[in-house]
Amino acid sequence: NAGVMQNPRHLVRRRGQEARLRCSPMKGHSHVYWYRQLPEEGLKFMVYLQKENIIDESGMPKERFSAEFPKEGPSILRIQQVVRGDSAAYFCASSLQSYEQYFGPGTRLTVT
Amino acid sequence: QQQVKQSPQSLIVQKGGIPIINCAYENTAFDYFPWYQQFPGKGPALLIAIRPDVSEKKEGRFTISFNKSAKQFSLHIMDSQPGDSATYFCAASWGNTPLVFGKGTRLSVIA
Repeated sequence: NAGVMQNPRHLVRRRGQEARLRCSPMKGHSHVYWYRQLPEEGLKFMVYLQKENIIDESGMPKERFSAEFPKEGPSILRIQQVVRGDSAAYFCASSLQSYEQYFGPGTRLTVT
Repeated sequence: QQQVKQSPQSLIVQKGGIPIINCAYENTAFDYFPWYQQFPGKGPALLIAIRPDVSEKKEGRFTISFNKSAKQFSLHIMDSQPGDSATYFCAASWGNTPLVFGKGTRLSVIA
C-alpha cells in the first residue's frame, strides 16, 4: 500500500512567484489535512478538505493561500506571491473516516 | 483552549533508559490523543494513540499513560535505543477535526 505522497519534495521559489504543492492521499482516504511546520516548531493546521469541499480553512491565511481537493487528482495547496516568511515544511495528512491521520514526507519550500 | 503543552523540549537518556514525555490539554472535547515520531527531513509517523476510556496503552516498547481528571497524558519508551533518537510530538483532536500538536520533544539516546 502506497502511503501519502507529496511532490515536489523540495521547492525553491523567488519572492513574488507562485508555489504549488501536491498531495495524493492514501488509497481510499477521502479526508486531507494540510499542516505547516516551521524550524524547531510543531505542526500548525492550515486547511481540511474532503473531495471537492473545503471543510475547515481556519488555519490558512486569508490572502495568497488557497487549497483544493478535486474529484479526480491530488489535493493542491497554492501559495501566490510567496514571501520569505512562507519558507517552511508543508505536510499533508490523510485519513479514512476520522481520527487516525497519516502524514506524507512533506514539501520543503524555500523562498529566496 | 486549543493548546496542547508538551514538555520537556529536549531530553537525553542513556541506552536502555526510559524517557518520559508529558503533555497537557485544556479542551475537554478532545477524545483522541496520538503520538508521532519524526526523523529529520521526514514526515511525522503515527506511533501510538489512546482514547480517554482507558488509562494506559502499550504497543511494543511504547506506552501511553492517560489521566483524564488531570487532563494529561505521557509517552514512555522502554529500553530506549539510539535508533529512537528523534523528535516526538503529542497531539489531540476529536472526530474529524484537525490535530492540535504540542511543540515537540527532541530525544537523544546515547550509547
